[in-house]
Amino acid sequence: RKEVEQDPGPFNVPEGATVAFNCTYSNSASQSFFWYRQDCRKEPKLLMSVYSSGNEDGRFTAQLNRASQYISLLIRDSKLSDSATYLCVVNGPRRDDMRFGAGTRLTVKP
Amino acid sequence: GAGVSQSPRYKVAKRGQDVALRCDPISGHVSLFWYQQALGQGPEFLTYFQNEAQLDKSGLPSDRFFAERPEGSVSTLKIQRTQQEDSAVYLCASSLRGGPYEQFFGPGTRLTVL
Repeated sequence: RKEVEQDPGPFNVPEGATVAFNCTYSNSASQSFFWYRQDCRKEPKLLMSVYSSGNEDGRFTAQLNRASQYISLLIRDSKLSDSATYLCVVNGPRRDDMRFGAGTRLTVKP
Repeated sequence: GAGVSQSPRYKVAKRGQDVALRCDPISGHVSLFWYQQALGQGPEFLTYFQNEAQLDKSGLPSDRFFAERPEGSVSTLKIQRTQQEDSAVYLCASSLRGGPYEQFFGPGTRLTVL
């Protein structure tokens, strides 16, 4: 079993749609969680951290469920520019190590 | 520099050749990570440094892979006797301090082994 698993995708949605991605992790000791965004042939960039209480940044909402060991990302009012691969990142087994999921590809269409 | 830089950006190697990939992290960043990203996959952890100390190399796929960061800044990932399965993008990332903090990635080195 991979340490971090994501929805396989791809997700193809129209502009203005709401889309949600889930991610599960295997290391129950993980303490830090992130969503990164990676555009085609570009490097990953931090989208947002995920806090225990859940957090929101504009159209993006991240949630953490420690009991079930999953995190989610919700994107409201999708824009064409949201088209990218979204990577779930979880720390562990060492505190400093970061483990990436395989990514979920999102395409927003006009 | 303004960001993480990597060189070369592209490398074509014949099978069996040795290659060296360089990473210049953001100045002052303590932590440095190497990842391997195959087409359509997420970055796979290879190794991690805090300053000059290599704290975790559990992701290196074989003893043909070797990484160093002798002065705690620039790092080199060396692959000996390259194989076709080594073809991938090799990403370097740095973060300001040890711990699970935001990582800043370089543009990667795309390695193709023929």
